[in-house]
Amino acid sequence: NAGVTQTPKFRILKIGQSMTLQCAQDMNHNYMYWYRQDPGMGLKLIYYSVGAGITDKGEVPNGYNVSRSTTEDFPLRLELAAPSQTSVYFCASSYSGTVSNTEAFFGQGTRLTVV
Amino acid sequence: ILNVEQSPQSLHVQEGDSTNFTCSFPSSNFYALHWYRWETAKSPEALFVMTLNGDEKKKGRISATLNTKEGYSYLYIKGSQPEDSATYLCAFTSGTYKYIFGTGTRLKVLA
Repeated sequence: NAGVTQTPKFRILKIGQSMTLQCAQDMNHNYMYWYRQDPGMGLKLIYYSVGAGITDKGEVPNGYNVSRSTTEDFPLRLELAAPSQTSVYFCASSYSGTVSNTEAFFGQGTRLTVV
Repeated sequence: ILNVEQSPQSLHVQEGDSTNFTCSFPSSNFYALHWYRWETAKSPEALFVMTLNGDEKKKGRISATLNTKEGYSYLYIKGSQPEDSATYLCAFTSGTYKYIFGTGTRLKVLA
């Protein structure tokens, strides 16, 4: 039972480079999320999606893009990496978002360093 | 802007001690309050989801209460063990599809 799978686990980028963080879930969840975790700051929502073809901005979307062409996949794209994007990134999914008794399932995280 | 606050930020307790933490959240437009346990180098795992004022949930030595009218939830750990050492996150959900997380309480249980 794979759950939520994120790749890569670690990455070092140079300033100005681009990359895509992959996220896939096999639980047929309709809601998916990208969070970043900075020290002492908890989890901040970057983007979320309520279903294939639908995405929306979270609290800190600048510098990122997402797409949701299938229910299973929700990649996060960094176009021009900046040192401020050094963080740990978590992808999560849930069956119906905020309806009662619905928990979010998290991937293992991607540690990104921009130098 | 919805704000979820947790206190204390960090906590050291001796093995066998009981402890509790607080999560404060907006009392308007409430849907659910979630507690997650987050061990170092792992991903957060759900402990409880609570939806009704007065809800109490229990899992082993860990329990939680919810007061939606005043906007707070308590997480209790009875007889703390070293394996309870983790960051405990709460998340608030309202009428949107987003989980708004607090910054967490980092618990260290000393053997």
